[in-house]
Amino acid sequence: DQQVKQNSPSLSVQEGRISILNCDYTNSMFDYFLWYKKYPAEGPTFLISISSIKDKNEDGRFTVFLNKSAKHLSLHIVPSQPGDSAVYFCAASNQAGTALIFGKGTTLSVSS
Amino acid sequence: SAVISQKPSRDICQRGTSLTIQCQVDSQVTMMFWYRQQPGQSLTLIATANQGSEATYESGFVIDKFPISRPNLTFSTLTVSNMSPEDSSIYLCSVAPDRYQPQHFGDGTRLSIL
Repeated sequence: DQQVKQNSPSLSVQEGRISILNCDYTNSMFDYFLWYKKYPAEGPTFLISISSIKDKNEDGRFTVFLNKSAKHLSLHIVPSQPGDSAVYFCAASNQAGTALIFGKGTTLSVSS
Repeated sequence: SAVISQKPSRDICQRGTSLTIQCQVDSQVTMMFWYRQQPGQSLTLIATANQGSEATYESGFVIDKFPISRPNLTFSTLTVSNMSPEDSSIYLCSVAPDRYQPQHFGDGTRLSIL
C-alpha cells in the first residue's frame, strides 16, 4: 500500500523551460511535505517543503504547490537547468521532523 | 544544516556475515533515523534511533536483524546481521535538529552481499 505516489518515473525537459514534477498521497493525516533531489552515489538533498496550512511555498527557482482536497502536490522548477538533472523524491510525514514516507522518485533530465 | 558522515561508503560482504554502519553528525541532533533503499525502490524507514533507549522499529524490521545503537546525540550505528543477497541496498542515516525542521541525509552506505 503506497501512501505517496510519483506516477511518472521520468521527465525530460529542455533547458530554460519549466519542469513540473507531480506527487499524490493517500493518507489524509499527512501535514508536512518535502521534496528531495538525489544525484547518483549521494544522499538525498533537501530542496523545499510545505506545511498543510499553506498551498504554495517558493524558494528561488523552486515552487511547491499543495492541493489538499486532491491530495496532490507538485514541484515547479523555473527555469530548468542541466544541473537539475537528478532523481526527485516526494516525501510526507504526519508531523514535521518525524518519519518520512517517500515516493519512488522521478528522474528529471534537462537537456541543453 | 548538519554535516553527516557515514562509514563505510560501500562494502561487499559474504552471505551470513554482519556489518556495522556508522553515522556521525557534526552537531547534536534530537532525531536520527535509518533508511534503506533497495535497488529501483524508494527509501524505506527502518527505525528511529533514540538516544539512551531502544530504537523504534517500523513494521517489517526487527532488532535482531538490524540492531541500532545511539550512545549520544551525535553518533549512531546500524548493524545488518546475518546478511543475505536480499540485504543488498543503500543504507542511509538522516537527522532532524528538531521536529519542525526537514531531515538531512548522509551519502549512504552501498552494501552488496555475495
